[in-house]
Amino acid sequence: ESVLTQSPDTLSLSPGEGATLSCRATQFLPSNYLAWYQQKPGQPPRLLIYRASSRAAGIPDRFSGSGSGTDFTLTISRLEPEDFAMYYCHQYGNSPLIAFSGGTKVEMK
Amino acid sequence: DVQLVQSGSEVRESGESLEISCKSSGYSFNSYWIVWVRQVPGKGLEWMGITNPSDSDTRYSPSFQGQVTISADTSTNTAYLRWTSLKASDTAIYYCARPVRVNWGFDALEIWGQGTMVTVSS
Repeated sequence: ESVLTQSPDTLSLSPGEGATLSCRATQFLPSNYLAWYQQKPGQPPRLLIYRASSRAAGIPDRFSGSGSGTDFTLTISRLEPEDFAMYYCHQYGNSPLIAFSGGTKVEMK
Repeated sequence: DVQLVQSGSEVRESGESLEISCKSSGYSFNSYWIVWVRQVPGKGLEWMGITNPSDSDTRYSPSFQGQVTISADTSTNTAYLRWTSLKASDTAIYYCARPVRVNWGFDALEIWGQGTMVTVSS
C-alpha cells in the first residue's frame, strides 16, 4: 500500500514570502496522478493542482506544481493573506493507490 | 453553476442508522462519478469510496468496506451515504466530491459539497 508523506508539518512565513511544500509517495505514481488542495477552517478542500502541474480553473498563477515519479512540490511564489491555510496532496489513479497526505499548515509568522 | 449541496448536520446515538445526501446541479449527473471523503475534525482527509450514477458501479476503500453504503439516484441527481449502525468513531465531517474528468472515478476532485457534520454519541 502506497503512502504519501508531506513535509514540513508547519510552515511559518510572512506575506510576500515564497512557500515550498513537499509530497513524497512510497510508490511510483503513473502519469503523475498527484493533486494538491487548499483547505481553510470550516470550508471544504479546494483543488489547486492536478496531474502534478496543471492548475485547476480559477487558481492564481502564484500556485505551481512540479515533480514526477515519487517526489512532488507545491510552490506558492508570493504568499497573499488568503493563502494561509492547510494544504494536502492526494495520489489517485486507481483504487489501491488512492490516498491523501497528512497535510501542511502554512501559518503567518 | 456546478454545485454539490449536502444535507444538514446530524446528531445520532451509537447503533442508530443514518443516510446523508449530496444533490448535484449544473452538470450531467450521469457523466461523473461521485466520491465520498471523511474528515475527522482537526484531522486529515480519507477517501471512502465512489459510485457511478449511470450504472451504480460502486467501489469502497478497504477501510470503509462493509461499514457504509454509497448509492445514487439519477431521478433526483442525488448521491447518498448510509450507515446501518453508527459508532462514536463515525463522528466526522463527510464530503461528497466530483472528479475532474467525466466517466472516471479515480481522479482529482474538482467540485466539493459543503460537508455534513455527523456526531455520534456513545
